Amino acid sequence: AQRVTQPEKLLSVFKGAPVELKCNYSYSGSPELFWYVQYSRQRLQLLLRHISRESIKGFTADLNKGETSFHLKKPFAQEEDSAMYYCALTNAGGTSYGKLTFGQGTILTVHP
Amino acid sequence: EAGVAQSPRYKIIEKRQSVAFWCNPISGHATLYWYQQILGQGPKLLIQFQNNGVVDDSQLPKDRFSAERLKGVDSTLKIQPAKLEDSAVYLCASSKRGAGELFFGEGSRLTVL
Repeated sequence: AQRVTQPEKLLSVFKGAPVELKCNYSYSGSPELFWYVQYSRQRLQLLLRHISRESIKGFTADLNKGETSFHLKKPFAQEEDSAMYYCALTNAGGTSYGKLTFGQGTILTVHP
Repeated sequence: EAGVAQSPRYKIIEKRQSVAFWCNPISGHATLYWYQQILGQGPKLLIQFQNNGVVDDSQLPKDRFSAERLKGVDSTLKIQPAKLEDSAVYLCASSKRGAGELFFGEGSRLTVL
């Protein structure tokens, strides 16, 4: 069975500080990992995916298959980064591609 | 382009009553998903459609939940009869065929009293 674990429900940092949101997964096949974000009063939206290897809004995430982790990092947090962040995975192949398993989410608060 | 539309946004019912939620995906998106999000938890997939066929409904409580996607466009999710534990936000999402990015609606918040 596939599982995504986000060990921190709440994370608080000050503006300009580095931030790391942790995500660990268990999956026996070939996973594709994502970070989704939900800003206040907005809908859930994709932030980034590991296959694109992009930096979005200053965030990066590297898939570490040895540690089965996909931590989200940003060197200098901004107040507008305050949101709920979800780590999610899907099977990279097969008919159910796109079926996402989500973690419980981490609420990030960036203080001025 | 217009996003995923859902209605109603809020619904309050008593247990054992029935409720239906409607979703209109982004035009051209072949895949449609219904997720259940209970307070404090991440979204959990209930059912996945590819056009008008079901791809995965393994986590749908079929004794009380049903969903359909007629003509491969709009979809409805029905709960009958509702239980207290069905109180949640029901999220609809859509994606292009074979694409990993899901586009979510604003959700329908259900409260069962």
